[in-house]
Amino acid sequence: SAVISQKPSRDICQRGTSLTIQCQVDSQVTMMFWYRQQPGQSLTLIATANQGSEATYESGFVIDKFPISRPNLTFSTLTVSNMSPEDSSIYLCSVELYNEQFFGPGTRLTVL
Amino acid sequence: GNSVTQMEGPVTLSEEAFLTINCTYTATGYPSLFWYVQYPGEGLQLLLKATKADDKGSNKGFEATYRKETTSFHLEKGSVQVSDSAVYFCALSAGGGNKLTFGTGTQLKVEL
Repeated sequence: SAVISQKPSRDICQRGTSLTIQCQVDSQVTMMFWYRQQPGQSLTLIATANQGSEATYESGFVIDKFPISRPNLTFSTLTVSNMSPEDSSIYLCSVELYNEQFFGPGTRLTVL
Repeated sequence: GNSVTQMEGPVTLSEEAFLTINCTYTATGYPSLFWYVQYPGEGLQLLLKATKADDKGSNKGFEATYRKETTSFHLEKGSVQVSDSAVYFCALSAGGGNKLTFGTGTQLKVEL
């Protein structure tokens, strides 16, 4: 299995600011994914991040709002930019390893 | 597009009761189907999966059978325990790329 950690685990931010979420995995992985879980809703894929290439964003998500870095095979960051209360969600990273997706514990973001 | 519909919760059961959580899906082609579980304070974990029609996934006493004719993947357990209290997510992967499409999640509470 893969052990994934995320920082921060939770944060409360002011409207208009940005927050960068870190995801660290204990194995080298090619594919990392970022998901959002809005209150009372299912998980929605934001983007797929492969090391050495630009992230691929899903419909409704853009790089200016959610820039992603993937500097190596064990680490990625997701930035939530120019936040509004609608960005209040749990953000999760996941990795694919051994044909299975493993998920981090999530970052609970509240925007005031 | 792909979608997953699962029954709304919360579902409250007494210990040793029979559990069914319904899940139906819409997808192009032949998706793989998954049940994930999220225990309080923890990340999502893969509970079981099935990759083709009539396959049965099983783990920890939970079972689900891939029914192509009814496009369903209902989760069942014969005798639930308090420790099964968690949120259960049905998900599918279709069309390559290993992207997961999730249902909204069903919270299960098991009481003594």
